[in-house]
Amino acid sequence: DGGITQSPKYLFRKEGQNVTLSCEQNLNHDAMYWYRQDPGQGLRLIYYSQIVNDFQKGDIAEGYSVSREKKESFPLTVTSAQKNPTAFYLCASNRVSTVAEAFFGQGTRLTVV
Amino acid sequence: AQSVAQPEDQVNVAEGNPLTVKCTYSVSGNPYLFWYVQYPNRGLQFLLKYITGDNLVKGSYGFEAEFNKSQTSFHLKKPSALVSDSALYFCAVRDENSGNTPLVFGKGTRLSVIA
Repeated sequence: DGGITQSPKYLFRKEGQNVTLSCEQNLNHDAMYWYRQDPGQGLRLIYYSQIVNDFQKGDIAEGYSVSREKKESFPLTVTSAQKNPTAFYLCASNRVSTVAEAFFGQGTRLTVV
Repeated sequence: AQSVAQPEDQVNVAEGNPLTVKCTYSVSGNPYLFWYVQYPNRGLQFLLKYITGDNLVKGSYGFEAEFNKSQTSFHLKKPSALVSDSALYFCAVRDENSGNTPLVFGKGTRLSVIA
């Protein structure tokens, strides 16, 4: 059963803590993405990676970090430098093609307590 | 630069009536256009895409979209709305000259179908 798996579904963080969101795909896609979703603001790109061991900043990368050590995995760390981390985080992937649609995971809702 | 506009935050339609969710885009080359649907606390689901060819694209769940190059639009349509169509809809674009860059999304339109 192919797809993208994000975990956990819900995550609570205390202020000042780093947390890592997991994203795994078995679609054999080279490109992977992290988006942040806030009410009324649509999807904003945090980071993306088109190949293993390489990634680029998106529009709102400050306070976040990523790694791409394996093709299947693209974890996102929300650091204590992110001032307003409470949001819904979406991971996506697609094959490397201009015409390819992206496939999304089910999301992780992060709440700072 | 690529951009997408969804001019309506909310669309309300009665069940059984036709629905339209609007999308306009801006790219320097030819556009590749996509529609997605999102149910509460879920990821986005792909509905359909326009690459080239016929301006009317058919997709999942009875949805279709019409590409209009002169109006730079890609409106999502369905002939007869269902209550279960109530969700958040996103339009996205990628410029043909941009390579495999990330999709650029609109801010979303919330569709409410009233029984």
